[in-house]
Amino acid sequence: RKEVEQDPGPFNVPEGATVAFNCTYSNSASQSFFWYRQDCRKEPKLLMSVYSSGNEDGRFTAQLNRASQYISLLIRDSKLSDSATYLCVVLRGDTDKLIFGTGTRLQVFP
Amino acid sequence: DGGITQSPKYLFRKEGQNVTLSCEQNLNHDAMYWYRQDPGQGLRLIYYSQIVNDFQKGDIAEGYSVSREKKESFPLTVTSAQKNPTAFYLCASSAPHRVGELFFGEGSRLTVL
Repeated sequence: RKEVEQDPGPFNVPEGATVAFNCTYSNSASQSFFWYRQDCRKEPKLLMSVYSSGNEDGRFTAQLNRASQYISLLIRDSKLSDSATYLCVVLRGDTDKLIFGTGTRLQVFP
Repeated sequence: DGGITQSPKYLFRKEGQNVTLSCEQNLNHDAMYWYRQDPGQGLRLIYYSQIVNDFQKGDIAEGYSVSREKKESFPLTVTSAQKNPTAFYLCASSAPHRVGELFFGEGSRLTVL
């Protein structure tokens, strides 16, 4: 079993829709969590850091559920420009090591 | 503008040749990293450096070498010992106590023929 798991998608949604992705992690020593966005054949870019139960940034909301060991990313009012792969990243507290998920692909259509 | 510059963006090499990928940053970050990305896999850590003149192996260091002679620079050499070198290579840096908040370069896409 992978330490960080994501549904690869693709999630195909129309403009204006709300879409949510989940990411599960297996190591309870995980202490910090991040969502990165990666456009096709480009570098990943930090979207949000999730240090406590969750946080919101405009149309994006990240939530953390430590009991069930998952984090989620909710995107409201999807735009065409949101089309990308979203990487879930977990920082393990015991090793100070970052573990990357394989990503969830989102395609927003007109 | 501050950032990380990787070069070259695309590189083709024959089997058995060593290649060196450049990574330069002007963010004044102490920590720098090299990752490899393959289709369908998460990023995997090759080497990292927390400070000048010091670096540690990551999860997949075999067949790679690095140096950190200057704070700004962290070049990666892909040696002929690396069995599957064709990949997308990403250099990153982070500020102190911000290990999870990485700034990435645009990447170098290496194809070995």
